[in-house]
Amino acid sequence: DAKTTQPPSMDCAEGRAANLPCNHSTISGNEYVYWYRQIHSQGPQYIIHGLKNNETNEMASLIITEDRKSSTLILPHATLRDTAVYYCIVRFSTGGGNKLTFGTGTQLKVEL
Amino acid sequence: DAGITQSPRHKVTETGTPVTLRCHQTENHRYMYWYRQDPGHGLRLIHYSYGVKDTDKGEVSDGYSVSRSKTEDFLLTLESATSSQTSVYFCAISDSIVGNEQFFGPGTRLTVL
Repeated sequence: DAKTTQPPSMDCAEGRAANLPCNHSTISGNEYVYWYRQIHSQGPQYIIHGLKNNETNEMASLIITEDRKSSTLILPHATLRDTAVYYCIVRFSTGGGNKLTFGTGTQLKVEL
Repeated sequence: DAGITQSPRHKVTETGTPVTLRCHQTENHRYMYWYRQDPGHGLRLIHYSYGVKDTDKGEVSDGYSVSRSKTEDFLLTLESATSSQTSVYFCAISDSIVGNEQFFGPGTRLTVL
């Protein structure tokens, strides 16, 4: 699986959009980009995933660059409850036991 | 939320004792996973299962064994606990039919003295 690079921490004002970047320059053509988050002491929570098209769900939007070497997770209106560690993961959609390799992620702090 | 429970939620034990952690699911998902989480390391995969009696090693499997005799239960055993196995352990499940989203349990905090 391709490795990812994320900033260790970011701050965001409540109500503003939080844009979390992820670099995955070695991604291969059939690897997906997944985002999870982990609120303090809880198990990680799936947010969204995509291959090459931008994706949106009730939680967030995922913007993947045309060359697929980087992506951005967007929380459109961040709240205090969005304070968490956000993990960007790339892997194949199927096979290999669907294993995920977590890095150290980005600690997002949403403040008033 | 996916039906995943872990037991016990907290455990304190002594070095050299055997410990078994249980993960139970009610979703009938095929895949089950055990991760450990330590400060500065994110989550690391210990073992995973892709069906009843079918298991494989993850990246940090030394000192751990697993068993899956039923779809709903995945057991993680520390045969002889060491202080380096003090950690938070998370179980996860996924179903390849619906995608690769993994759903995580609440975690078990294990302290080995």
